[in-house]
Amino acid sequence: DIVMTQTPLSLPVTPGEPASISCRSSQSLLDSGDGNTYLDWFLQKPGQSPQLLIFMLSYRASGVPDRFSGSGSDTEFTLKISRVEAEDVGVYYCMQRIEFPSTFGQGTKLEIK
Amino acid sequence: QVRLQESGPGLVKPSETLSLTCSVSGYSISSGYHWAWIRQPSGKGLEWIGTVYHTGSTFYNPSFKSRAVISVERSKNQFSLKLTSVTAADTAVYYCAKGVPFDPWGQGALVTVSS
Repeated sequence: DIVMTQTPLSLPVTPGEPASISCRSSQSLLDSGDGNTYLDWFLQKPGQSPQLLIFMLSYRASGVPDRFSGSGSDTEFTLKISRVEAEDVGVYYCMQRIEFPSTFGQGTKLEIK
Repeated sequence: QVRLQESGPGLVKPSETLSLTCSVSGYSISSGYHWAWIRQPSGKGLEWIGTVYHTGSTFYNPSFKSRAVISVERSKNQFSLKLTSVTAADTAVYYCAKGVPFDPWGQGALVTVSS
């Protein structure tokens, strides 16, 4: 199975400041056939089910604010929040789906300072 | 707007079969897409269980060692999960989700395995 490793596991952030979460995969998530990178990001707000933020490396899901962005390549990926707001608290997960089984990172808990 | 809702017993005895149903509204399962089950043990991360295509083809996480079966019931616009021979380690919140990528997710159903 592809192992997904996130850092940091805990991220205290001051509102209005930027934040960055890293995700590393044990194998490349780039499909050389179609050129797509099969890496998604989810946010699980407290008491809620996960919601899709970013799919295929850098595409924002419908309704996701443009302060969220995804980048990276092959095995190194980053989710960036340009200016953190109070509503962004929760646990962020990266997930690979280039091959079965789909696997998730351990999660990064973002909290407001 | 597509909505998913999990339902099923909240308590299952060890060695028995866990059965959950995901009811879909706002979209016909028969029209396409993939439909997935994912679980989350309390305080822990997410684990993909398996996916069923609208055609009925299925893909499972090998870690479930053939205990999981996912099927589609088109007439009811539902898909289901059966997990056999459960143990306490199967206690978790079980989510259903549409598509790849997984979006949206249901609200989740807590299943506790205990005698």
